[in-house]
Amino acid sequence: DTAVSQTPKYLVTQMGNDKSIKCEQNLGHDTMYWYKQDSKKFLKIMFSYNNKELIINETVPNRFSPKSPDKAHLNLHINSLELGDSAVYFCASSPPWGRSNTGELFFGEGSRLTVL
Amino acid sequence: QKEVEQNSGPLSVPEGAIASLNCTYSDRGSQSFFWYRQYSGKSPELIMSIYSNGDKEDGRFTAQLNKASQYVSLLIRDSQPSDSATYLCAASSGDTGRRALTFGSGTRLQVQP
Repeated sequence: DTAVSQTPKYLVTQMGNDKSIKCEQNLGHDTMYWYKQDSKKFLKIMFSYNNKELIINETVPNRFSPKSPDKAHLNLHINSLELGDSAVYFCASSPPWGRSNTGELFFGEGSRLTVL
Repeated sequence: QKEVEQNSGPLSVPEGAIASLNCTYSDRGSQSFFWYRQYSGKSPELIMSIYSNGDKEDGRFTAQLNKASQYVSLLIRDSQPSDSATYLCAASSGDTGRRALTFGSGTRLQVQP
């Protein structure tokens, strides 16, 4: 059983289109994230949700809209796709940030988006 | 802006040697530190976590943390060709309830057979 699963794994689309990526985790974690990894391997946080509530919303164009229907799912919808949106998008989840300040992330396999 | 800095490499070492990977972070409030390994086309996987000053050993891997210098390192002993990958350093950042991991850009390690 895959702990954090994303679909689709590959997306190729034209500029201006709208696309969605879905993520599900079966680890029982409360917190889920979207990270973007560019061609230089830089992994940057976009959003985080805790138990369906938006917690972190980094400087991301409002063409990107996350949605969390329940704490096990976090989807990402992107409107009006641009060339610069081409990247690998990783979903991740983490157990609660306790006193020990753990914060280990469990990553999905990634969704490679190519905008032509 | 909270940052984590790494030398992008590539760091090239012969098989059997010790590979030393370094990382500095800017957020003095960071309390958790992680090393992830990422093979090309794959997702990051956790190698080591460290929370207190000093060394932490796990098999061939040793993580070192110096909070005063804001410095984290990873040593890989007896390096193997299968260790060739990009190593991402990460530090916790953000206030209580808004924490996340900030990643460095990664160091590419090449282990020559």
